Amino acid sequence: DTAVSQTPKYLVTQMGNDKSIKCEQNLGHDTMYWYKQDSKKFLKIMFSYNNKELIINETVPNRFSPKSPDKAHLNLHINSLELGDSAVYFCASSFLDEAFFGQGTRLTVV
Amino acid sequence: SQQGEEDPQALSIQEGENATMNCSYKTSINNLQWYRQNSGRGLVHLILIRSNEREKHSGRLRVTLDTSKKSSSLLITASRAADTASYFCATDKGNYQLIWGAGTKLIIKP
Repeated sequence: DTAVSQTPKYLVTQMGNDKSIKCEQNLGHDTMYWYKQDSKKFLKIMFSYNNKELIINETVPNRFSPKSPDKAHLNLHINSLELGDSAVYFCASSFLDEAFFGQGTRLTVV
Repeated sequence: SQQGEEDPQALSIQEGENATMNCSYKTSINNLQWYRQNSGRGLVHLILIRSNEREKHSGRLRVTLDTSKKSSSLLITASRAADTASYFCATDKGNYQLIWGAGTKLIIKP
C-alpha cells in the first residue's frame, strides 16, 4: 500500500483552466504539506496543514488553495492556471521530523 | 525563504568509488535531513541528523554535521549503479517547514 499517494501523476491543461490535485496519506500523520519543485529542482513549501489547520502559507498566489476534508487528505486547487505554474507538485506528510513524499504530479500548462 | 545549498551540483563517479556531497545552510536548525530523488519520482528520506549530533551512519551512508560552519556532508561508500539519483538536504528549524537545497545529481558509471 502506498503511504502517500497523489493523483493525477501527469496533468496537461490550458491556461486559464481550474484544476485540482488530490493527496491522501494512510500513515495517520497529523501534518501534511504541498511542495512545488521548479525546473531547477528547487523545492519550495507552499502549504502545511496540521490537524486540519493551516500553519504555513508561503507567499503563493491566492489562485492556489489547499483543502483538507479530513486528516488523511490534503487537496490542492488551482484556479486560472498560468504558464508559470508548470512544475512538479509534491504532497508529503510528516511524523517526528521525517517527511514522506508522494510520487509527484507533473503539471504542464500550455 | 532561505535555502540550503548543495555542492557539487553534479557528480559522476565510477561504481565502487565513494561519493561525497556537501550542504550549507544559513540559519540555526533543529535537524538536517538528506533525501534521495530518483528521476521522475518522489523523495525518499535517507537519514536525519540532529543539531546536537556530529556524525551518523546508516548502512553505506555517513552524514556529518558541523553547526559552527553550518554545513553537512553525505558520504556514500562503495557506490552502486542504483545510487544514481539526485540528493537533497533539507533543514528543519522545528516549525514544520523544511528548507531545501537545489540538490546534487549523482551519476554512478558502471
